Amino acid sequence: QLQLQESGPELVKPSETLSLTCTVSGASISGSGYYWGWIRQSPGKDLEWIGSFYHSGNTYYNASLKSRVTISVDTSNNQFSLRLTSVTAADTALYYCARTMRNHFDYWGQGTLVTVSS
Amino acid sequence: ETVLTQSPATLSLSPGERATLSCRASQSVTTYLAWYQQKPGQAPRLLIYDASTRAPGIPDRFSGSGSGTDFTLTISSLEPDDFAVYYCQQRSNWPPAYTFGQGTKLEIK
Repeated sequence: QLQLQESGPELVKPSETLSLTCTVSGASISGSGYYWGWIRQSPGKDLEWIGSFYHSGNTYYNASLKSRVTISVDTSNNQFSLRLTSVTAADTALYYCARTMRNHFDYWGQGTLVTVSS
Repeated sequence: ETVLTQSPATLSLSPGERATLSCRASQSVTTYLAWYQQKPGQAPRLLIYDASTRAPGIPDRFSGSGSGTDFTLTISSLEPDDFAVYYCQQRSNWPPAYTFGQGTKLEIK
């Protein structure tokens, strides 16, 4: 059974960097056919795709976040990470990692709430 | 960016009734359209992908239809467990990018 689990700090100060890790079990993130990525949901409930990567190394980001986002991969631990720089209160959200199968997200982590506040 | 607009924002129905939820895209997404159900404190759950294909384990009372810019999620006979928020989502062809609608809250009347 495929499972994804997000982890990382729950509180980040404004202007600092948000860092989260997604640990995947039940499937290899090095396998072909799937993208893996991050989605967030603001307190106002809007869902926003942040970015995704493919095992070949191709990575795609939301144009509105591209200048601040990096997704990296640790295949030895079957993990991938999100780094979002220069955060503001607008980045406060529930952050999900998810598997992308073709055109949709079929498996999601439970989500982790990150609050940006001093 | 392709914008998805869902209607209505809130739908009040009773168990046993038929629910019809709409999702309209600002430009054609062919059939790259998915539907999700989200309950409080849970991650979204995939219901329908490619506009009309049910995800594994999804009951057949859920169905999706449409292509191009207009899509519909239909729940044929509402069960108590179906009252939740529903989102549509599309994938742009190139470069790959994904957007979600703002959601429809299905509440018990």
